[in-house]
Amino acid sequence: QQPVQSPQAVILREGEDAVINCSSSKALYSVHWYRQKHGEAPVFLMILLKGGEQKGHDKISASFNEKKQQSSLYLTASQLSYSGTYFCGTEEDSGAGSYQLTFGKGTKLSVIP
Amino acid sequence: DTGVSQDPRHKITKRGQNVTFRCDPISEHNRLYWYRQTLGQGPEFLTYFQNEAQLEKSRLLSDRFSAERPKGSFSTLEIQRTEQGDSAMYLCASGIYLPPAGGRSTDTQYFGPGTRLTVL
Repeated sequence: QQPVQSPQAVILREGEDAVINCSSSKALYSVHWYRQKHGEAPVFLMILLKGGEQKGHDKISASFNEKKQQSSLYLTASQLSYSGTYFCGTEEDSGAGSYQLTFGKGTKLSVIP
Repeated sequence: DTGVSQDPRHKITKRGQNVTFRCDPISEHNRLYWYRQTLGQGPEFLTYFQNEAQLEKSRLLSDRFSAERPKGSFSTLEIQRTEQGDSAMYLCASGIYLPPAGGRSTDTQYFGPGTRLTVL
C-alpha cells in the first residue's frame, strides 16, 4: 500500500526550514528518501532501518518511528538546490523479505530567493 | 550521474509496436530493479533481479511486459503490442545486496536517468 506524504507542496525562502512526513499503514522494515528534479532520475538521500534511528546528511536529516510507521525528513537552512520533489519509498517488514520499494506521491519543495 | 545508464533516453512509438529498453547497472551491483513513473506520481515497482534470477514481479507487469538479465549484468525490458497507457518514464535502479549474518538487510537503490516512452 502506498505511503502517504505530507504536505503535497511547500514553498520556502532560502534559509527556512521544512519537514516532510511519510506515513504507512503497514509495518515497515526501512524507509528510503529520494529527491527528484524535473526531468531527472530520483537521487538517493538516505535510508533508515527499523529501530527508530535518525540520520543526518549535511543539513538534511531524517527520523523513523517504527511504532507509528512514520518517517520525517528535515531540511534546515534550505538552499535553492534543495528544490525538487521528495519521495519516500517504504519497504514492508514481511517475513518473505520483500525488497521492493513502494513510493509515495511526493512532496514538491520550492525554494525561492 | 549514479553510474547506472539506460538506453534509449527517449522512445516514441506507435500503438501496437514492440519496444525494448536496456539498463546497465553499476558493475559490482547484484540487484537490478525496474520501475515505471507517470507524471505527478512516484515510481511504481515492476520487477527486480538478483544476479540473473528474476525474484519478484508486480501485478502491474502484464503479459505484454517481459524483463531479462541473462548474465547478471545488463537487463532489458520489452513491451509488446504497446498501448497508449504504457506511456511513462521507465526507470532502472541497481543496488548491492549482501546476505546478512542474521536477520535481513536491505540495499540502497541507485536510479538511472530513465527512458521516456511515448506511445502515439
